[in-house]
Amino acid sequence: DAGVIQSPRHEVTEMGQEVTLRCKPISGHDYLFWYRQTMMRGLELLIYFNNNVPIDDSGMPEDRFSAKMPNASFSTLKIQPSEPRDSAVYFCASSPGTDEQFFGPGTRLTVL
Amino acid sequence: GDSVTQMEGPVTLSEEAFLTINCTYTATGYPSLFWYVQYPGEGLQLLLKATKADDKGSNKGFEATYRKETTSFHLEKGSVQVSDSAVYFCALNRFSGGYNKLIFGAGTRLAVHP
Repeated sequence: DAGVIQSPRHEVTEMGQEVTLRCKPISGHDYLFWYRQTMMRGLELLIYFNNNVPIDDSGMPEDRFSAKMPNASFSTLKIQPSEPRDSAVYFCASSPGTDEQFFGPGTRLTVL
Repeated sequence: GDSVTQMEGPVTLSEEAFLTINCTYTATGYPSLFWYVQYPGEGLQLLLKATKADDKGSNKGFEATYRKETTSFHLEKGSVQVSDSAVYFCALNRFSGGYNKLIFGAGTRLAVHP
């Protein structure tokens, strides 16, 4: 299996632009998680899905952030409009429903 | 609520030195405990886990023992290598409402020099 796939690996954009991050989970995994990693706040859980349904989005920082999972093999995290303080590494992870999660390589976002 | 506390880094060691990274947790019940490792430019990978008190998780020469009495899960390795340089995250699993969630510590950066 190819593991969790994220794209792009790096994204540089200007403040106010829309940013879309993409994730393909491991086939057969029912759970998908989006995390944000910064030096100041460490690793934060933003939202997670079970069978394509958002279960807990309490970690989403504000309305500028939205996440979707239209099918079992694809999810997006969108920021609109983006701000410099959104600069971070965003990770996607998937799980078969056990207590282990499998992480993607991350997307490094820089908002100028 | 549940939380994980790790020793602050960075930890700097010479090759073949002994490693300890402290981790303590606060939780109701007896959650599963994990160590994840993040190599430069990569995502987190599961290093080892323990699911109940007195269990010892081990992998790649790393070990950690689930200590209920001290609510700890310290990571140890007898002889580190340069290739062990990475950020190490301690985590616990919280099963709530029918779903598993991982709660991570802040991470400890390890730098091993030749």
